[in-house]
Amino acid sequence: DAKTTQPPSMDCAEGRAANLPCNHSTISGNEYVYWYRQIHSQGPQYIIHGLKNNETNEMASLIITEDRKSSTLILPHATLRDTAVYYCIFWGSGNTGKLIFGQGTTLQVKP
Amino acid sequence: EAGVTQFPSHSVIEKGQTVTLRCDPISGHDNLYWYRRVMGKEIKFLLHFVKESKQDESGMPNNRFLAERTGGTYSTLKVQPAELEDSGVYFCASSRFRMNTEAFFGQGTRLTVV
Repeated sequence: DAKTTQPPSMDCAEGRAANLPCNHSTISGNEYVYWYRQIHSQGPQYIIHGLKNNETNEMASLIITEDRKSSTLILPHATLRDTAVYYCIFWGSGNTGKLIFGQGTTLQVKP
Repeated sequence: EAGVTQFPSHSVIEKGQTVTLRCDPISGHDNLYWYRRVMGKEIKFLLHFVKESKQDESGMPNNRFLAERTGGTYSTLKVQPAELEDSGVYFCASSRFRMNTEAFFGQGTRLTVV
């Protein structure tokens, strides 16, 4: 299965931008990069996804490098409610339709 | 629109008993997925339905687990007989399409086998 590498944990001050990196050097041309998060005891929540171009929605921005081997999720103004485990995932690998969750990054937003 | 609904939210059963988990996907979503997280481990894929057909069941741990989706609407996941290692949180997700789309997750069913 396709692999992503994320730092296990990060801290961010409330109101500041949170930048969460992800390495995915084995990504293939037709695989999308997805970001999900899991807030304690809830089901995973979709954040954003992209293929080549940078993407932005009401929750976050996704910056994908030109070689597509890494990406960064940006939460522009982190709040305490953004404290969660953030997962960087491939979708499209092998056309199976399943999400492969890794360990993710635990983001702690501090007052 | 209503989200993905899972029932029950919690279940405590004894080893050897049977438990059935239910998932109601978002209306119109042909794709339905089951995942689970056991204590301290990553969220793992179990299987994927497209309508009533099993598209991928490569993550099902063994034949004590049986998933069904009759009529392509709601799905059930039965564990029979339950073992201690089956304890964990079982998530269901649904999506309209298989690719380039958002998957919506339910709140999960926390299963405890004692």
